[in-house]
Amino acid sequence: AQSVTQLGSHVSVSEGALVLLRCNYSSSVPPYLFWYVQYPNQGLQLLLKYTTGATLVKGINGFEAEFKKSETSFHLTKPSAHMSDAAEYFCAVSDGYGGSQGNLIFGKGTKLSVKP
Amino acid sequence: EPEVTQTPSHQVTQMGQEVILRCVPISNHLYFYWYRQILGQKVEFLVSFYNNEISEKSEIFDDQFSVERPDGSNFTLKIRSTKLEDSAMYFCASSPTGEDGYTFGSGTRLTVV
Repeated sequence: AQSVTQLGSHVSVSEGALVLLRCNYSSSVPPYLFWYVQYPNQGLQLLLKYTTGATLVKGINGFEAEFKKSETSFHLTKPSAHMSDAAEYFCAVSDGYGGSQGNLIFGKGTKLSVKP
Repeated sequence: EPEVTQTPSHQVTQMGQEVILRCVPISNHLYFYWYRQILGQKVEFLVSFYNNEISEKSEIFDDQFSVERPDGSNFTLKIRSTKLEDSAMYFCASSPTGEDGYTFGSGTRLTVV
């Protein structure tokens, strides 16, 4: 069975500082990995995804994540936080197989706060 | 940019009542999903729908739940007899292939009293 663990339910950084949100997964098959962001009162917006190929993936708003198979990790980073990055971030894994094309298993989410 | 539209944004219902949550997926998408998020907990998969039938459902999706695509544009989730524990944010999502990630709607917050 697949699962996702996000370390830290709440991360606080200063504006301009590095953002690092951690995600570890378990999967018995090569995973598809996703990061979603949820702004207050809005839906889940896809930030980036890894399916195959290059292990460093770039997403929207300057975010990127690196798939590390040996560490079963898919941490999300951004070199310099902006106030508008304050939101909740969800890591998700999918097996990408089957007629359903794989369903997403989400982590509990990490709320990012950005201090001025 | 195309979006998934969910209505209503917030619904309050009495325990035991039926509710229908509505979603309009992106028009050329083929895969449809419902997820829910109980306050403070993970986003959980409920059901996926493809080719006019359920392709997969979770343990949460028991006989009280049903989905329908009544007219080729709407995708509805019905809860027949709501319980207090059904209170959650319900997200609809759609995907062209299922592999590219989904586009989620803004959610419907269901409160059962």
